[in-house]
Amino acid sequence: KAGVTQTPRYLIKTRGQQVTLSCSPISGHRSVSWYQQTPGQGLQFLFEYFSETQRNKGNFPGRFSGRQFSNSRSEMNVSTLELGDSALYLCASSLGPQGGREFFGPGTRLTVL
Amino acid sequence: DQQVKQNSPSLSVQEGRISILNCDYTNSMFDYFLWYKKYPAEGPTFLISISSIKDKNEDGRFTVFLNKSAKHLSLHIVPSQPGDSAVYFCAASAPGEYGNKLVFGAGTILRVKS
Repeated sequence: KAGVTQTPRYLIKTRGQQVTLSCSPISGHRSVSWYQQTPGQGLQFLFEYFSETQRNKGNFPGRFSGRQFSNSRSEMNVSTLELGDSALYLCASSLGPQGGREFFGPGTRLTVL
Repeated sequence: DQQVKQNSPSLSVQEGRISILNCDYTNSMFDYFLWYKKYPAEGPTFLISISSIKDKNEDGRFTVFLNKSAKHLSLHIVPSQPGDSAVYFCAASAPGEYGNKLVFGAGTILRVKS
């Protein structure tokens, strides 16, 4: 089985711009979660989608949004980028929304200048 | 408010010795705990997990211990190998009607010296 894929792997944007990141889960996985990783902060939960519905949301401002398509692929959007949004954005998929083991993609490294 | 804490940013161990990584949590609703390992430029990979109904789970060289009364878990790696050098994240989840999310610690960098 192919693993979780994320595109693009690297991205450079400037303040005020918006960005869309994409995630394709493992085949058969219907739950997709997004995390932000910054140095010293570990992984911070952004949101989780299951069957095209957002089922859980972390403590991030409304500039961070996401969606999930019928094929379970997910996108994450960040509008009005700030310097502090520079981070590694990780997508993880699992079979269902019951928590437990998630499989992570390699991440998208976003740099905001 | 960090619900999962890994108080040691880094740990250095000699090859062949035991590595002990620690994790503390504050939320008594957590009922499932996981350890992930992360190499640079890769996503975290699942290592081992433990349910709150157990106090120990073993998988090869990796053992996780859970002390619910102390809200503490630890990962033991015996014997440590240079390939174990990575960032280790402790994570926890609580059951929820609207799905679950993993709460991660900040990570511990493990360096195994040969």
